[in-house]
Amino acid sequence: DAGITQSPRHKVTETGTPVTLRCHQTENHRYMYWYRQDPGHGLRLIHYSYGVKDTDKGEVSDGYSVSRSKTEDFLLTLESATSSQTSVYFCAISPGQETQYFGPGTRLLVL
Amino acid sequence: QQQVKQSPQSLIVQKGGIPIINCAYENTAFDYFPWYQQFPGKGPALLIAIRPDVSEKKEGRFTISFNKSAKQFSLHIMDSQPGDSATYFCAANSGAGSYQLTFGKGTKLSVIP
Repeated sequence: DAGITQSPRHKVTETGTPVTLRCHQTENHRYMYWYRQDPGHGLRLIHYSYGVKDTDKGEVSDGYSVSRSKTEDFLLTLESATSSQTSVYFCAISPGQETQYFGPGTRLLVL
Repeated sequence: QQQVKQSPQSLIVQKGGIPIINCAYENTAFDYFPWYQQFPGKGPALLIAIRPDVSEKKEGRFTISFNKSAKQFSLHIMDSQPGDSATYFCAANSGAGSYQLTFGKGTKLSVIP
């Protein structure tokens, strides 16, 4: 998975609790992305980063925040998880070209 | 909103057949069109990609055909094998310094022996 790890790989949480997902890369790539994957919707961009402390919103950013304090780490936070945020979350990295390399994913279930 | 429309949603072919997955787009600023392959429980992996200045690109048994005037592109898998059973996503990137990808909704391919 191109030097990308995601943690945790599986998580079950309750509605209203905060959740943080971590993406870690060893490739020193500048660009990092968070997507969610849901049946019938494909992959949808949540947030992305184009450098340390430089982030921007994607298509489905409501209810999510991100932070990138180091090149290698990109955190996705659900401030107050809802059942609609039950999904599989993928991190992707890119050296600054169009090609993106995806991590193994995190399965999140919000009860 | 930028969109990439992918069809069919699912596809079943016999081993050795040639499944074809189609995608259409509207935004003429798109200038990079990758295909990703995803196996169950795994992240998507880049399979093959094309730019609008060529009409066809082959890598092994995988071919992308691109029709710029129709704003359509398709993936063909020659001599399909059961190991090709996966979900395939097309995507597009709008260039001009934007490295965001817009994905189609995916096609689940099953190749039966």
